[in-house]
Amino acid sequence: LAKTTQPISMDSYEGQEVNITCSHNNIATNDYITWYQQFPSQGPRFIIQGYKTKVTNEVASLFIPADRKSSTLSLPRVSLSDTAVYYCLVGDPYYNTDKLIFGTGTRLQVFP
Amino acid sequence: DSGVTQTPKHLITATGQRVTLRCSPRSGDLSVYWYQQSLDQGLQFLIQYYNGEERAKGNILERFSAQQFPDLHSELNLSSLELGDSALYFCASSMGEGGTDTQYFGPGTRLTVL
Repeated sequence: LAKTTQPISMDSYEGQEVNITCSHNNIATNDYITWYQQFPSQGPRFIIQGYKTKVTNEVASLFIPADRKSSTLSLPRVSLSDTAVYYCLVGDPYYNTDKLIFGTGTRLQVFP
Repeated sequence: DSGVTQTPKHLITATGQRVTLRCSPRSGDLSVYWYQQSLDQGLQFLIQYYNGEERAKGNILERFSAQQFPDLHSELNLSSLELGDSALYFCASSMGEGGTDTQYFGPGTRLTVL
């Protein structure tokens, strides 16, 4: 059973860089890693996806080491509006139902 | 706005009743997913449909059923409702059927069972 483990919560201050790590020891060869952001009472929103090494887009970076057993979402210079729950999701292109596990996510609180 | 619509936004009903939640995917998306999120809990995957056919199944109770219609909208039917079924129900859609597809989530339906 593919499973991800994340810290339950993290605190930060505005302007700081935040790194949230997700552990996925049983990741399979075909699996990709995707991160979503969820604000209270809203549906999750896609942030970034990667397979290996580093991926960067306009909102975040994703670092994946060579063994791919973990990944780190990096949010540069967070603001109050980045306060949300962040989910790490492991999935393969052809699906196994046990891959669609969002878990409880990491609750990030950004303080002024 | 993700482009995914869900109705109704709120639903209050009594135990033992049956309700239907509706989801319209983004234009062009063929997959629809249903998730349940209880208070302070993570997202629980229920079921996925791709182009009208069931594609993947999660921890969906036998009292729950879903379908995707030819116009690609989907309905989630919840019957013999229990207090524990109170939750936010999200629908998501994606273009393809694979686990790497970006899912676009709707605003959710908040179900309260009294």
